[in-house]
Formats: sequence, C-alpha cells, structure tokens
Amino acid sequence: DVKVTQSSRYLVKRTGEKVFLECVQDMDHENMFWYRQDPGLGLRLIYFSYDVKMKEKGDIPEGYSVSREKKERFSLILESASTNQTSMYLCASGWASATNEKLFFGSGTQLSVL
Amino acid sequence: DQQVKQNSPSLSVQEGRISILNCDYTNSMFDYFLWYKKYPAEGPTFLISISSIKDKNEDGRFTVFLNKSAKHLSLHIVPSQPGDSAVYFCAASEDGNKLVFGAGTILRVKS
Repeated sequence: DVKVTQSSRYLVKRTGEKVFLECVQDMDHENMFWYRQDPGLGLRLIYFSYDVKMKEKGDIPEGYSVSREKKERFSLILESASTNQTSMYLCASGWASATNEKLFFGSGTQLSVL
Repeated sequence: DQQVKQNSPSLSVQEGRISILNCDYTNSMFDYFLWYKKYPAEGPTFLISISSIKDKNEDGRFTVFLNKSAKHLSLHIVPSQPGDSAVYFCAASEDGNKLVFGAGTILRVKS
C-alpha cells in the first residue's frame, strides 16, 4: 500500500510564526504536490516538485515556499503565518508517467493561525 | 477563474437509487479526467478516471461519462450505498501535467 504521511494532523500557530509542514512518501514517486482545501474552493495547488531539488509554483504560491532535499520528502514552509492561511493542507505524490495522473494523498494537516 | 466546476455543493440520495454527480470544465486542452472521494479526516482517494479518447468508463457500481463537445463529465453511482456518503472531487489534467480540482460535491446517501 502506498503511504503518504503528513507529520501533524492538527497544528495551531500564531500570526507571524514560521511553520513547517512535512510530508513523506514511501513509493519512490517522482512527483510531489502541496494543496490546500477550503470550503467552496476545493483543492488548490500551492507548489509541486517533479524531482529532487526542483520546485514549481502552483496556482496560489504567495506566502509559501517548499523544500525537496530528498526524493521521499517534500516540505511546505509558511515564512510568516497569517490568519488567511488557516486551512486544511494536503500533500500528494504520484508517478511521473504521463499516462498515470493518479495521486496518492496524505490524511491532511488542519492548520489554524491565530 | 475556475477551470473545473462542480456546481452542486451537495446531493442527497436514497439508498439503492442512482447518484449522479456533475462536473464542467472550460479548458479544451484537458485530456484526462478523474474522480476522487474524500471522507472526513482522511485524504482524497482515487475512484475512477477517463481519457479524452473515451466517452464512458465503468468500474463496478461507478461509471464516468465524458461529453467533450459539452465539456461535461458525470459520475454515476448505482446502486448508492450509505458508505458512499463523502465529498466527491472532479479533477482534470492536460498533457500529463498537474491536476486541477473542482470545489467538490457532498453526497449523502440516506438509508
């Protein structure tokens, strides 16, 4: 079974704090993604990576950065957390094959910024 | 500007009946479409997909229909079961690229 593990299920942080969300996958997937899920807006792509040390901006990258030092690990960083970053954050991974866009998701991290 | 739209936020269906979830898209370059299912406190899980060269794909109780001329796809679940109650996300991709998701539809199957 593919496993995508997110380090925290719930996080509460203060405005201005630096926040790290960690994600690890065990299937040797090339591709990794960070989404946020908000009511009425669905899943929106923040950043993605197709290889180690490679990153690409998604649709809503402002206020976020990422790090991929190892193939299995993709970290999302909120440099200075703000209340509008309160959301459910979902990490996903998948193979690089163009014929298989299926993603495998972690259970999510519910982040509250106070 | 949402490229993938699910215009029904919620749907309620009686157990045993058919559930039909709809999805519209605007980008004519999308060539692969997927449905994901999400339970509370869990990540989305892949349900079924369809390539743009097909108009129908079936997997057990789940069938996805694609109407390219209308830029519309639908997911049919028959018969619906209480365990199908979840949020369903429609997603699309272009040329093997990243997925674009809709806002989701909450399905409630009443027993």
